[in-house]
Amino acid sequence: DIHLTQSPSSLSASVGDRVTITCRASQNISIWLAWYQLKPGKAPNLLIYKASTLHRGVPSRFSGSGSDTEFTLTISSLQPDDSATYSCQLYSSFALFTFGPGTKVDI
Amino acid sequence: QVQLQESGPGLVKPSQALSLTCTVSGGSIIGGIYAWSWIRQRPGKGLEWIGSIYYSGTTYYSPSLRSRLTISMDTWKTQFSVTLNSLTAADTAVYYCARAVNHTFDIWGQGTTVTVSS
Repeated sequence: DIHLTQSPSSLSASVGDRVTITCRASQNISIWLAWYQLKPGKAPNLLIYKASTLHRGVPSRFSGSGSDTEFTLTISSLQPDDSATYSCQLYSSFALFTFGPGTKVDI
Repeated sequence: QVQLQESGPGLVKPSQALSLTCTVSGGSIIGGIYAWSWIRQRPGKGLEWIGSIYYSGTTYYSPSLRSRLTISMDTWKTQFSVTLNSLTAADTAVYYCARAVNHTFDIWGQGTTVTVSS
């Protein structure tokens, strides 16, 4: 099985801060990694797909990078609306879809 | 604009089966590129992929749930459904339906809370 870990598990930051979240895969998954924003009572929101492609309508302060086993989600200037949990998700031909445990961002 | 909406019981007794339906509006579920999927989030846990179905009828299930799981599709009603058998308290979760394209879930429903309790 392929596993995903995220670090940190939670963080607290201020408006305007640059925030970076890391997702690590236990095996090489090429670029098949996506990032989601989760808020209670709302539909999860796709932010980034194929490791670095910004989903339509997502603010440009969000960016993704990485490949193989290590990936990062960066919020360049944190906004109040960014308070949420962020989860990475991989696709592999063996494991199909797997999600990371999530990183809670408090502002 | 495609939208997804889950429906089903909020409370199910242990050992019983859970059936949830996802209604797709604003678009068709016909076409081979989309995987119509179910995902859940148990309390205090991360998201967990349950399974997916393509228009062709091909299904993919999570290995950990496969023995209890059936996903089906009704193209006339633009709905797809999940049935999970032999429920336990560990199946208490928010259940989401979602559309996957290019191995990514691009559209989600708002989720429905299911509690397994006697």
